[in-house]
Amino acid sequence: GQNIDQPTEMTATEGAIVQINCTYQTSGFNGLFWYQQHAGEAPTFLSYNVLDGLEEKGRFSSFLSRSKGYSYLLLKELQMKDSASYLCAVDAGNNRKLIWGLGTSLAVNP
Amino acid sequence: GAGVSQTPSNKVTEKGKYVELRCDPISGHTALYWYRQSLGQGPEFLIYFQGTGAADDSGLPNDRFFAVRPEGSVSTLKIQRTERGDSAVYLCASSPGTDGELFFGEGSRLTVL
Repeated sequence: GQNIDQPTEMTATEGAIVQINCTYQTSGFNGLFWYQQHAGEAPTFLSYNVLDGLEEKGRFSSFLSRSKGYSYLLLKELQMKDSASYLCAVDAGNNRKLIWGLGTSLAVNP
Repeated sequence: GAGVSQTPSNKVTEKGKYVELRCDPISGHTALYWYRQSLGQGPEFLIYFQGTGAADDSGLPNDRFFAVRPEGSVSTLKIQRTERGDSAVYLCASSPGTDGELFFGEGSRLTVL
C-alpha cells in the first residue's frame, strides 16, 4: 500500500530552527513535495526533491534519502507567520497524482 | 488572473441537491487536478486532466461525481444527489505539464446539510 507518515503537531520558538520529518512507503517514486498550508487557505509550494541530498531555498531546506524513504523540511529563523500546517506529498510515478500525508501542524511561539 | 481561480468559494446545499464547482487554471497550464480535503486531513486525489481528456479518474468516490474540461482550460466538478459525507474543501490545481509543481486554487468549501 501507499503510506506517508509525519508528526501531527510540533511546537517551536520564534527565531529557532525546526525539522519536520516525513517517511514514505509507495509503489514508485518520482519526487517528494513539501507544501505549506495556513488555516482556511490553499497549499502553497515550498520544495521539491527527486534526487538524494539537501535543497536549500532561503530559510527553508528540504532533504531526501530515497533508500531510507525519508525526507525532512528544515525551517530556520522561525517567524510567527510560519505557524501553519506542513504537508509532505509523494508522486508515486503517476503524473503528479500526489499521495499526501496528514500534515504537521507547527505552532511558533514568541 | 495570475493564479488558479475557483468558484464558488463557499457553497451550502441540502442533501440530495446537485452542485457544480468551477476551476479556472493558470493560462497555458495543460494539466489540471481536482483534490478533496477534509478537516485535519491531507488532500485526496479525485481526477486529473491532461488537455481536454480525463487522464485518470480513479479517485472519484462513486458515479455521483463527474468532471469535465471541454476546451482544455476551465474545468467543472459536478456532484449529483449530494450527501453529508461530501462536505469538504474541493481543491483545484494546475501545472504546466506532468513533471512540475502543482499550483493550487483557494478551494471551494462545500457544506451539505
